Amino acid sequence: DAKTTQPNSMESNEEEPVHLPCNHSTISGTDYIHWYRQLPSQGPEYVIHGLTSNVNNRMASLAIAEDRKSSTLILHRATLRDAAVYYCIHSGRGSGGGADGLTFGKGTHLIIQP
Amino acid sequence: EPEVTQTPSHQVTQMGQEVILRCVPISNHLYFYWYRQILGQKVEFLVSFYNNEISEKSEIFDDQFSVERPDGSNFTLKIRSTKLEDSAMYFCASAGSFYSPLHFGNGTRLTVT
Repeated sequence: DAKTTQPNSMESNEEEPVHLPCNHSTISGTDYIHWYRQLPSQGPEYVIHGLTSNVNNRMASLAIAEDRKSSTLILHRATLRDAAVYYCIHSGRGSGGGADGLTFGKGTHLIIQP
Repeated sequence: EPEVTQTPSHQVTQMGQEVILRCVPISNHLYFYWYRQILGQKVEFLVSFYNNEISEKSEIFDDQFSVERPDGSNFTLKIRSTKLEDSAMYFCASAGSFYSPLHFGNGTRLTVT
């Protein structure tokens, strides 16, 4: 898995939308973009993943740039429970987890203010 | 919702001792993983396991480490002779298919003294 670039930390207010950016300029055509998050004292938790089109699920939305060199995770209405480290990963194997492990970077530490 | 469970939640051991960390993956999952996270550092991949054999391992996963799926439900990580630098959180994960997201347990904190 190749390197992604994310801000070290971001701060947002409760009940406001949050846009977490990620640059992945070395992404190849078959790489999927994955987002995981890690709440304090817990293991990582899957958030969302996508290939080219924007994706929505109950947790978040993923907006993927047309050239796929960047993506944005969108939390539509942040709550205090969304305070976590958010990891953006692109997998060179074009799969979710597969037989090979995902490579986690340092992620973005999201702070939510009440 | 099904969960990956890990035991114990905290293990303290002396340097040079063997430890076995245990995981019960989600029951119909086929792909299994161990990761570790040293305090304040990144989550690091150790090993993946599929079809009763190791699929991939990182440089961290040297001869001191081994994994096993001894029965249909458990997935274990053994560290043969622990070192101080093995102190970390160890996370087990599983996935239902090659294309599925990973589901992680809440980890075992290993402290080597």
